[in-house]
Amino acid sequence: EVQLLESGGGLVQPGGSLRLSCVASGFSFSSFAMSWVRQTPEKGLEGVSGIGASGGTTYYADTVKGRFTISRDNSKNTLYLRMNNVRGEDTAIYYCAKESAAVARRNYFDHWGQGILVTVSS
Amino acid sequence: EIVLTQSPGTLSLSPGERATLSCRASQSVSSSYMAWYQQKTGQAPRLLIYGGSSRATGIPDRFSGSGSETDFTLTISRLQPEDFAVYFCQQYDTSRTFGQGTKVEMK
Repeated sequence: EVQLLESGGGLVQPGGSLRLSCVASGFSFSSFAMSWVRQTPEKGLEGVSGIGASGGTTYYADTVKGRFTISRDNSKNTLYLRMNNVRGEDTAIYYCAKESAAVARRNYFDHWGQGILVTVSS
Repeated sequence: EIVLTQSPGTLSLSPGERATLSCRASQSVSSSYMAWYQQKTGQAPRLLIYGGSSRATGIPDRFSGSGSETDFTLTISRLQPEDFAVYFCQQYDTSRTFGQGTKVEMK
């Protein structure tokens, strides 16, 4: 059974930093691209960032480019999202999601974690 | 960016009825790159349909996807009590974007 478990969320001040982690199990982690997707009541679902299976390719939404960094450690079956210079509009539930192929493009998300809340507020 | 517009915003139906959910794209999307997800309150989205019409593992055959170019449809043939939820479409042809969702509520 595929399981994705996020951690690292919480309250952070504007301009601050946070690192999200996602531990994966139940599949060959190093064979699939992974993504972070966030959700708010106002803007809905938004693909934030994705990374290829080997970690060699990454993509970012324009809204987070230059502030967020995605990475993965295939030896630990773990996906990360480093969030720097956070803003109020980054407040959301962040989901770790498994993509349907190794290359991080033109994929759907076939499994999702339970989500973790990030709140940006002073 | 391809904008996906879902309608209606809310669908009020009774168990056993047929649900038809629409997703309209702002520009043509290959039907091979359209997915549908179900989300229940407090839970993560769950993949229902990918490639426009292929059911994900474990998804019952009362769920079906169809459509092409800019108009796509998710049909639930006979609503079961567990089907009342929010449904999202997603295109993954050009980057990836989601619709804003259709809530299927019990009448």
